[in-house]
Amino acid sequence: AQTVTQSQPEMSVQEAETVTLSCTYDTSESNYYLFWYKQPPSRQMILVIRQEAYKQQNATENRFSVNFQKAAKSFSLKISDSQLGDTAMYFCAFTLRGGGADGLTFGKGTHLIIQP
Amino acid sequence: SAVISQKPSRDICQRGTSLTIQCQVDSQVTMMFWYRQQPGQSLTLIATANQGSEATYESGFVIDKFPISRPNLTFSTLTVSNMSPEDSSIYLCSVGWTGGDHGYTFGSGTRLTVV
Repeated sequence: AQTVTQSQPEMSVQEAETVTLSCTYDTSESNYYLFWYKQPPSRQMILVIRQEAYKQQNATENRFSVNFQKAAKSFSLKISDSQLGDTAMYFCAFTLRGGGADGLTFGKGTHLIIQP
Repeated sequence: SAVISQKPSRDICQRGTSLTIQCQVDSQVTMMFWYRQQPGQSLTLIATANQGSEATYESGFVIDKFPISRPNLTFSTLTVSNMSPEDSSIYLCSVGWTGGDHGYTFGSGTRLTVV
């Protein structure tokens, strides 16, 4: 079974700073999909960024980027120029097959607090 | 990506009763997923619902406690049966999409409190 580990229960940074959230995973498969989801107090799950394991290039979405290290099974999220609205729980997630064929395995989450 | 309407958004229920949660998707999808999020915790997959067949349950979850229906490609229900205070959680449904990039959409969740 696949596992996802987020070792930072909570992080706090000042507005406009850059912050990196860590995620490691364990799988014996060579192809899979990784995601970062944001959950604000509204509890709505919002997709932040995705990465396919067969793609060597790190995914980026505006202020959000990942550092995908396949050999190390590491998938960290970098948030640049952090904003107050980035305050939320962030979950790293894994699935083997794309296209919605399988459900997601989530890490325990990191509570990110952006201070004014 | 798909849009999901989940109902109810919250409910307070007496122990021993059952609650049925509904999810309606605005497009046809093969698989729908149900998750539980216990207070202050992460999301755990309960089961996968495939239209026309029995749902597939994850370890630790059983059909008698969490019966699921999937009558068509746009709708599913999850029932939490014979509830106890330990069932107090947020329950979310989700679907995946392929269009270009892969991802998952979630319903807005049902906050269940059992008293």
